[in-house]
Amino acid sequence: AQTVTQSQPEMSVQEAETVTLSCTYDTSENNYYLFWYKQPPSRQMILVIRQEAYKQQNATENRFSVNFQKAAKSFSLKISDSQLGDTAMYFCAFRGETGANNLFFGTGTRLTVIP
Amino acid sequence: DTEVTQTPKHLVMGMTNKKSLKCEQHMGHRAMYWYKQKAKKPPELMFVYSYEKLSINESVPSRFSPECPNSSLLNLHLHALQPEDSALYLCASSQDLNRVYGYTFGSGTRLTVV
Repeated sequence: AQTVTQSQPEMSVQEAETVTLSCTYDTSENNYYLFWYKQPPSRQMILVIRQEAYKQQNATENRFSVNFQKAAKSFSLKISDSQLGDTAMYFCAFRGETGANNLFFGTGTRLTVIP
Repeated sequence: DTEVTQTPKHLVMGMTNKKSLKCEQHMGHRAMYWYKQKAKKPPELMFVYSYEKLSINESVPSRFSPECPNSSLLNLHLHALQPEDSALYLCASSQDLNRVYGYTFGSGTRLTVV
């Protein structure tokens, strides 16, 4: 079974600074998809960034980038130039290419950006 | 239209009531999902619909009854719920079960069972 682990329940960062959120996962599949979702107090789960396991290049979306280490089964999210609007719960999620059509979520990291 | 719309946003119901949650998307997505999220927990999958057919039921009690009347609409019918069923219910959609570019989530329905 797939598991996703986020070892940092809470983090804080000063506005304009950089912060990295950790995520590790366990799977026996060779190809799969990894995601970071953001859930602000408005409750909507917003896709931040997506990575396909067969792509070696780390995904980047504006201020958000990932460090994908397939051998180590690690998928961390780096947020540069943090903004107040980045304050939210961040979930790492895994979806296999085969088997159950399910997103497996980690337990989340609550990020607070301090003005 | 790039949104998943869920109604109502908040719902309070008694244990003997029957109510329905509604989810709508007009992105042409053919896979739709219901998730349940308890406070400070990650979402948990309940049901998956693919091309209007139920694909996965994650051992959800029969007091939750999903329905997919067409490719744009997903309902969750609720009957005889328990207080422990109080949670945020999230709907999501994706292009289909094979093309995984990301799930688009709605803002959820906050359900309170009294």
